[in-house]
Amino acid sequence: EDKVVQSPLSLVVHEGDTVTLNCSYEVTNFRSLLWYKQEKKAPTFLFMLTSSGIEKKSGRLSSILDKKELFSILNITATQTGDSAVYLCAVNSGGSNYKLTFGKGTLLTVNP
Amino acid sequence: KAGVTQTPRYLIKTRGQQVTLSCSPISGHRSVSWYQQTPGQGLQFLFEYFSETQRNKGNFPGRFSGRQFSNSRSEMNVSTLELGDSALYLCASSPGPASGRNYGYTFGSGTRLTVV
Repeated sequence: EDKVVQSPLSLVVHEGDTVTLNCSYEVTNFRSLLWYKQEKKAPTFLFMLTSSGIEKKSGRLSSILDKKELFSILNITATQTGDSAVYLCAVNSGGSNYKLTFGKGTLLTVNP
Repeated sequence: KAGVTQTPRYLIKTRGQQVTLSCSPISGHRSVSWYQQTPGQGLQFLFEYFSETQRNKGNFPGRFSGRQFSNSRSEMNVSTLELGDSALYLCASSPGPASGRNYGYTFGSGTRLTVV
């Protein structure tokens, strides 16, 4: 059975701090790993990673995938209160599965 | 372009009733998948449809069913509701498989179902 584990489950930081969120996975037929941010309802897409070692970057957020060690990290630098959210990691195992397997998420709270 | 639209936004139902939720994907997207989100279990896959065919189903009882129409809109139905079915139901839309390409999933805002 496909499995995605995120750590930590929750994190409280102060504005300006840098955080690293972790995601490890065990899936068959890996196709891609996706990061989402969920504030209230709809998870919003952040990154899709398919190749090892290539960093994806968007503003203060960046992410990288290690397909050999089966994990990904999401970095957020100079955190702001607006970064407070649940960050979800999901793996698309492709093949004939056509589904995303999600981790439980990391609840990030950024205090002023 | 319009995002993924889910209706209704909120629902309150009584145990034993049935409910139908609707999802309209992004224009041009042909794949719709459904997820249940609860505080204890997180996001769990329910099923996925492409071109009106269910291609995969998660580990949920037969009370959970769905369908997709020719315009790619999808509905999911839950019969004989139980208290444990209270959850946020999210639908995700994607273009569908294209040879050699990876594709992302865009989520709707969800339907919050409360069973009392």
